[in-house]
Amino acid sequence: AQKVTQAQTEISVVEKEDVTLDCVYETRDTTYYLFWYKQPPSGELVFLIRRNSFDEQNEISGRYSWNFQKSTSSFNFTITASQVVDSAVYFCALSEAYAGNNRKLIWGLGTSLAVNP
Amino acid sequence: IAGITQAPTSQILAAGRRMTLRCTQDMRHNAMYWYRQDLGLGLRLIHYSNTAGTTGKGEVPDGYSVSRANTDDFPLTLASAVPSQTSVYFCASSDPQRGGNEQFFGPGTRLTVL
Repeated sequence: AQKVTQAQTEISVVEKEDVTLDCVYETRDTTYYLFWYKQPPSGELVFLIRRNSFDEQNEISGRYSWNFQKSTSSFNFTITASQVVDSAVYFCALSEAYAGNNRKLIWGLGTSLAVNP
Repeated sequence: IAGITQAPTSQILAAGRRMTLRCTQDMRHNAMYWYRQDLGLGLRLIHYSNTAGTTGKGEVPDGYSVSRANTDDFPLTLASAVPSQTSVYFCASSDPQRGGNEQFFGPGTRLTVL
C-alpha cells in the first residue's frame, strides 16, 4: 500500500539554524511524484515542489533544498539559515495512479516547524 | 480572480441544517478535489472530480455530496450537518494531463457544526 511517513511531528529551532524535515514513502508504482507543501499559521496550503520518480537530482531554491533518494525511499527537505517566517506545518505527499489519468495524493501527517527568534 | 476561491470563509451551522460550500477555479484545471483537515488526521479526501460531469468518492465521502456541472465550479454539500463534520475544508484543483498533478488549494472554509 502507498504510504507517506513524516516521523517528526514537531521541530523547534532557533533562527539561522539549518533544519531538515524527513519524508519516507512507500509505493509499488514505478512512476510517481513527490511533493512538499507549506501551511503557514494563516492556514493556506502552498505548493513548494514536485519531484518525478525518474529524476533523482537534488534541487535547491534559495534557502530550500530537497534530497530525493530512491534507494531509501526518502524525499527530505532542508531549510538553510531558518527564519521566523519559515514557521509552518510542512506536508510531504506522494502521487499514485488512482482513476484513469488522475492521480490521488497520499499525504503525510505533517511536521510542525517552529523557528524561534 | 486568479486561482481558487472558496466561500464562505467560515460558518457556524446548527446540526441538521443543509450547507453548500462553494469552490471556483479559473485555471481551467480538469481535476478538482475536496479535503477536510482535522488535527492529528491530516488531509483526507472527501470527493474528487476528474473532469466536468464526473465525480468520485474519496476516503471519507459519507454525509457529503458534490456536483461538477462545469469545469470551474465544484460545490460540496452537507445534506444534514452533524458535529463530526466540524472541520476546515479545502478545495483543490490540478491538471493531470500536464504530468505532475500538483494540486493547488483554495484558502479553506472553517465550518463549525453545533
